[in-house]
Order: sequence, then C-alpha cells, then structure tokens
Amino acid sequence: DAGITQSPRYKITETGRQVTLMCHQTWSHSYMFWYRQDLGHGLRLIYYSAAADITDKGEVPDGYVVSRSKTENFPLTLESATRSQTSVYFCASSERGPSQETQYFGPGTRLLVL
Amino acid sequence: AQSVTQPDIHITVSEGASLELRCNYSYGATPYLFWYVQSPGQGLQLLLKYFSGDTLVQGIKGFEAEFKRSQSSFNLRKPSVHWSDAAEYFCAVGAPFGNEKLTFGTGTRLTIIP
Repeated sequence: DAGITQSPRYKITETGRQVTLMCHQTWSHSYMFWYRQDLGHGLRLIYYSAAADITDKGEVPDGYVVSRSKTENFPLTLESATRSQTSVYFCASSERGPSQETQYFGPGTRLLVL
Repeated sequence: AQSVTQPDIHITVSEGASLELRCNYSYGATPYLFWYVQSPGQGLQLLLKYFSGDTLVQGIKGFEAEFKRSQSSFNLRKPSVHWSDAAEYFCAVGAPFGNEKLTFGTGTRLTIIP
C-alpha cells in the first residue's frame, strides 16, 4: 500500500533492552523524521534525515540512534531502553524540508518500557 | 528560535456550534504555518497550511485559518462542528528557508457534545 507505515504498532520491553522501530515510505520523499509524543509536550523531533546516509539530530536525540541506508526506510533504535522513553513514536516524511513542506505521518508506535 | 503556543489545552463545543482554536507563534520573519489534526490512535493529518499570499486559507473538512501578522496568530476556525471533528489539533511553525525544524504546539483537545 502506498504511504508511510510503522512497525510494530505496539511494543512492550524492559529497561536496558535494545529496541528498533521501523518506518517505511513508498513516496520516495527525501526527508524523513522521527518524533515522540508525550502529554504536555506535543511532538518533539528526535532525528531527521535529508537523504540516504544523511541524518541529523533534533530536539531530543539522547538515547536514540538512526540510520538511513535506503531512501524508503528510516529505523529508530533505542540502544538501551529507559522508562523515560515510554512514549508514542511517529515517523513522518516530506518531499522537501525540514519545515518547508507538508509532513506525512505514519500511524505511530506505542512503546512501553518496564 | 521559533516557538508555538496553543493556550487552550481542552475545548468542549456543542455539535453544530462554531469553533475557534487559538495559535500564537514566535518567529523573526513571516513563517510557514500549519494545522494538523490527530484522531484517537492515529497519526497526524494536515488540515491546512499558510506559506504566503491570501491570509485566509481554506483546508480540508471545512476548516479555515487566518494569518494575522500583527497578532502573531494563526487561529483555526470552523463555522459548524460535527461529532467527527472530535480530535486533537496541533499548530506548527516552520521556516521558509534554512535548516529550521518544524515546531509543534502542545495541542488542543476538542470534545464535541450532542
């Protein structure tokens, strides 16, 4: 299906474990983004990518790692999960950016760290 | 750095009544402005955006917003709300050029009562 997909949709993990959230888009958009959504904070940018092999930090990058070997995929890894990383994670993409065009969002991944 | 304020955390409106959601921004020049809507359990969807030109912009689902430079505002309006409009609404500010990221407000939750 065309669009932007995220997997898994729900994830429960334990403190200290490594977790990878997947994001895939079918539009060949140049820019991709990872946000986390927490009550009272709205959406905060974790990392973004302007193209394959080009990534940059956002507002809250600590504890996260990203890669982008292919244009369509942008995985987010929590190297050693902490309870403060319990959140809803959204992936997004846009044709150009990082804030000059509409961003298209995936359905989100709800992560619980015990 | 740019910032966005949505002063209303939660608004309740009767079905069929008019709606106005407030958004104030801080940016040194004319920004790019966006309104997104998030239905429960979903990702964000663009309602409308302002880049330049006519300060009254029309969006999807019967929404409109007006850019007022003198008030640094971009309020969202709808003349008659429907029960399906119940959702969370996010205002966001971006930059017309450069590497500024999209900055989101903390959101306004809209409840519709019969």
